[in-house]
Amino acid sequence: AQSVTQLGSHVSVSEGALVLLRCNYSSSVPPYLFWYVQYPNQGLQLLLKYTTGATLVKGINGFEAEFKKSETSFHLTKPSAHMSDAAEYFCAVSEGWGAQKLVFGQGTRLTINP
Amino acid sequence: DVKVTQSSRYLVKRTGEKVFLECVQDMDHENMFWYRQDPGLGLRLIYFSYDVKMKEKGDIPEGYSVSREKKERFSLILESASTNQTSMYLCASKGQRTGAGLVEDQYFGPGTRLLVL
Repeated sequence: AQSVTQLGSHVSVSEGALVLLRCNYSSSVPPYLFWYVQYPNQGLQLLLKYTTGATLVKGINGFEAEFKKSETSFHLTKPSAHMSDAAEYFCAVSEGWGAQKLVFGQGTRLTINP
Repeated sequence: DVKVTQSSRYLVKRTGEKVFLECVQDMDHENMFWYRQDPGLGLRLIYFSYDVKMKEKGDIPEGYSVSREKKERFSLILESASTNQTSMYLCASKGQRTGAGLVEDQYFGPGTRLLVL
């Protein structure tokens, strides 16, 4: 079965600093990988996804992630943090026929310090 | 605009009550999902449905059942609520995969925060 590990349940950065949220996965087949964001009292919103092709994926709000097969990683980055980036972030890998189901990591809460 | 709605944002129920959580999507999606979200555990799949009247167990189905009588509606049922079912419940829907490398996105509702006393 596939699994996802997010390193660090809480990450705190200063406004304008680099954001790096780590995600490692295990999968016996080429994976589809996702990052979702959850703002307070809201559902999840897709930030970006990797399916095939280019390993550097760009998403919304200036985020990007790089699929590294050799490291089984899909870390999320943003060059310059903004206060509005404060949220919880979830990494997920798909499994099952037709990539129907998602397996989520435990989440990382990102805090932005002024 | 894509829309997944959940019938309640907050619910308070008593132990032993039968609880219904409703989810409706307006995107004509084939697939619908119920997740439970708990701090430090991320989202865990309870049940999903890939067609009307079709359902499959997820990772934590115990104590829950589901119903999908119409394509747009997917209900989660707690037959006899217990305090360990206090949680945030998220519904999602997803279209059918249309080709190699093409993965449809899951769209999430705002969640229902359930407190069982």
